[in-house]
Amino acid sequence: EDQVTQSPEALRLQEGESSSLNCSYTVSGLRGLFWYRQDPGKGPEFLFTLYSAGEEKEKERLKATLTKKESFLHITAPKPEDSATYLCAVQGGSNYKLTFGKGTLLTVNP
Amino acid sequence: NAGVMQNPRHLVRRRGQEARLRCSPMKGHSHVYWYRQLPEEGLKFMVYLQKENIIDESGMPKERFSAEFPKEGPSILRIQQVVRGDSAAYFCASLEDSRSQTQYFGPGTRLLVL
Repeated sequence: EDQVTQSPEALRLQEGESSSLNCSYTVSGLRGLFWYRQDPGKGPEFLFTLYSAGEEKEKERLKATLTKKESFLHITAPKPEDSATYLCAVQGGSNYKLTFGKGTLLTVNP
Repeated sequence: NAGVMQNPRHLVRRRGQEARLRCSPMKGHSHVYWYRQLPEEGLKFMVYLQKENIIDESGMPKERFSAEFPKEGPSILRIQQVVRGDSAAYFCASLEDSRSQTQYFGPGTRLLVL
């Protein structure tokens, strides 16, 4: 059974204070690892897909990296508008379904 | 370029009533997934449908829950005889086709069972 563990559960940063979120996973035959952002009362918003170890993707202040066992979401010089819950999910084997972690609640104080 | 649409956004039902949740995928998308998010829990897969076919319903409770995606119209998740434990946010996601991998989510339906 695919499993995803995200840490920390919650993270408070000051504006401009860079940090990283962790996503550890076990999956049978990784098809893709996904990062989403979820604001309160809204649906998950797609950020990145990573397909193989060593791959990196960037978007504005966010950078996602992937190894064979974990993924990191690096946030550089965050702003208050980056406050949200960040979700990690894996897609494995021949299934198309996503297995999600519980998320990391990020709060960026001005 | 409309995204995934879900309605209603909020639904209140009393125990024993039926709940119908609707999902219209993105234009050109023919695959739909339903996920449930319970308080303090992550999103959990329920069912995967293509037009007129259920591909994988391994995450659906065996009783009271059903889903369909007809040739015309939205996908519908139906919960019969709701209980308080069904209170959750239900999200629909769409996929363009089987070659794609990225699922795009709708805003969700928040179901509250009194």
